[in-house]
Formats: sequence, structure tokens, C-alpha cells
Amino acid sequence: DARVTQTPRHKVTEMGQEVTMRCQPILGHNTVFWYRQTMMQGLELLAYFRNRAPLDDSGMPKDRFSAEMPDATLATLKIQPSEPRDSAVYFCASGPDSTGQYFGPGTRLTVT
Amino acid sequence: QKEVEQDPGPLSVPEGAIVSLNCTYSNSAFQYFMWYRQYSRKGPELLMYTYSSGNKEDGRFTAQVDKSSKYISLFIRDSQPSDSATYLCAMTKSGGSYIPTFGRGTSLIVHP
Repeated sequence: DARVTQTPRHKVTEMGQEVTMRCQPILGHNTVFWYRQTMMQGLELLAYFRNRAPLDDSGMPKDRFSAEMPDATLATLKIQPSEPRDSAVYFCASGPDSTGQYFGPGTRLTVT
Repeated sequence: QKEVEQDPGPLSVPEGAIVSLNCTYSNSAFQYFMWYRQYSRKGPELLMYTYSSGNKEDGRFTAQVDKSSKYISLFIRDSQPSDSATYLCAMTKSGGSYIPTFGRGTSLIVHP
């Protein structure tokens, strides 16, 4: 049963530290998404890749966030420097274009 | 006005009830419609996907799309306590980037 995997599952860090989150999408899916979920804002799209090319990162704070997809089996989301307001659950999802997305279990980030 | 509106609930029903969850949208370009279920502290799980108008059934779940009214529904028959979760609708436009627009989710509680 193919699944999206994410590491780490939990991360507690101090303000100012770099955070790297990793995602392994489902093999064969050509779209990869990064989302942030909070109680206040719900699901927010941070980045979108199609066939590994970044197509949309308009929802991402450019000064501190970066997203890359170095190969088809790995997507990364980095925050540098992290701030307390970045505390949230970060989800990676992959999918075959329009027929829906498959989400990973999420990374629960706490920045103190 | 948001592109996709969804009542946050909570919606509380007794076990065995028929549940109706709904979303309205404003953009007629949406053609693909999805429903996700999210348990507490888990990632969203794709439940149903439909294209354009009509009904789709999968076990106890039925997804319905009424494009003329810009209204979609998810019906759950014989609801179970295990159905207690947040249900998110999502939709994408045809011929575009396949970036979904999500509703905020409806919290469902099925009590024994």
C-alpha cells in the first residue's frame, strides 16, 4: 500500500534555528504539494511541484522558507531562521494531477 | 467571500443517522471535486473524487455535485462513531495547474 512518508514526525526547536522537513512522495505521482495547517488558517498551500519543477510558491514566505525537489523520491521544505509563528503541522501530499492528493502524516513543528 | 465555503460545525449526530456535509463555491471553473476525511492529529485522507456534475457512491458514502447551484455534498449512511472526524471538501479547475482550493472543514461527531 503506497504512502507518502514524512520525516521528522515531530520537531521542537528554538527560534532562529534551521528546520528541514523531508517528504517521499508516492512513486509515479507527478505533483507534490507542501501545506501548513493551523487552527486559525486551516490548510495553506506553501509550494507546488509538477514533474519536479516548482510551479507555485506564492504562499510561502520567501525570506525564510525554501522548497526543493532534488529528485523524484525526495521533496524538502526548509525554514531558516525559524520563528515561533512557524509552529504548525506541515503536510506533504502527492497526486496524479487532478484526481486528488494523498497526504503524508505531517511534521508537527514547535518553535520556542 | 471565499471561493469555497464550508460550515465548520461541529455537527453532532446519533449513531446510525444519515449525515449530510456540504460545500458551496463561487467559481464556475471548478470541475474536479474531492472529499477528504481528517482524524485528529492525522493527515487528510482522500475519500471520494468526482468530475463535473452527478453522483458517485462508495459503500456508505455518496458524493453529489450540483454545478448549477455550485453546491457539493457528501452523504454518510448508517453513520458510525468511527466516522467522527473533520471532513474537508476541495476542488480544482480543469486545464490548469491542479492546485486544489480547500474548504475549512466540518467537524463531525457521531455519538453512540
